Amino acid sequence: QVQLVESGGGVVQPGGSLRLSCAASGFTFSSYGMHWVRQAPGKGLEWVAFIRYDGSNKYYADSVKGRFTISRDNSKNTLYLQMNSLRAEDTAVYYCAKDLTAVAGTDYWGQGTLVTVSS
Amino acid sequence: DIQMTQSPSSVSASVGDRVTITCRASQGISSWLAWYQQKPGKAPKLLIYAASSLQSGVPSRFSGSGSGTDFTLTISSLQPEDFATYYCQQANSFPHTFGQGTKLEIK
Repeated sequence: QVQLVESGGGVVQPGGSLRLSCAASGFTFSSYGMHWVRQAPGKGLEWVAFIRYDGSNKYYADSVKGRFTISRDNSKNTLYLQMNSLRAEDTAVYYCAKDLTAVAGTDYWGQGTLVTVSS
Repeated sequence: DIQMTQSPSSVSASVGDRVTITCRASQGISSWLAWYQQKPGKAPKLLIYAASSLQSGVPSRFSGSGSGTDFTLTISSLQPEDFATYYCQQANSFPHTFGQGTKLEIK
């Protein structure tokens, strides 16, 4: 069965950095695009970033562009999100999610990892 | 960026009721719309993709319709496990924006 397990969350000071990982299993990871989506406490869902199956194209929300970098290692079945210059408003649960198809949404999600940006 | 607007923001209903949630896109997105259900403390779950296709394993009481800018999610007969928050998301172009959510509460 498909499993996505995020890790790497924690408490970080404003201006700091953090790298999230998402370990994938149960499907051919190298054949699917992957997303990061976040949810601030008590708020709605915010799409963050997407990477194509082969890493050839990446897309970002304006709110994170230039600060966050999405990447993947298909040999390790792992998705990453490098987050730099973190702000208080980046505090959220971060989910990785598997693309169903390029235009159909995401069919599997991890359990999420909490990132708290606070001094 | 495409803005997604859901209505209502919250709705109260009873078990057995028929409920409809609406999602409007700020520009045409063809049929590239997904609906998700989220329960507290849990990850979202895909219900409908491509506006009207039922995701595998999702009960048939859930249905979606629409194209262009106007979409609906209908739950034909509410069950206790359906009380949750529902989100639409456009997948036509990046960024894949979500609606603000509709909280479905028990009356």
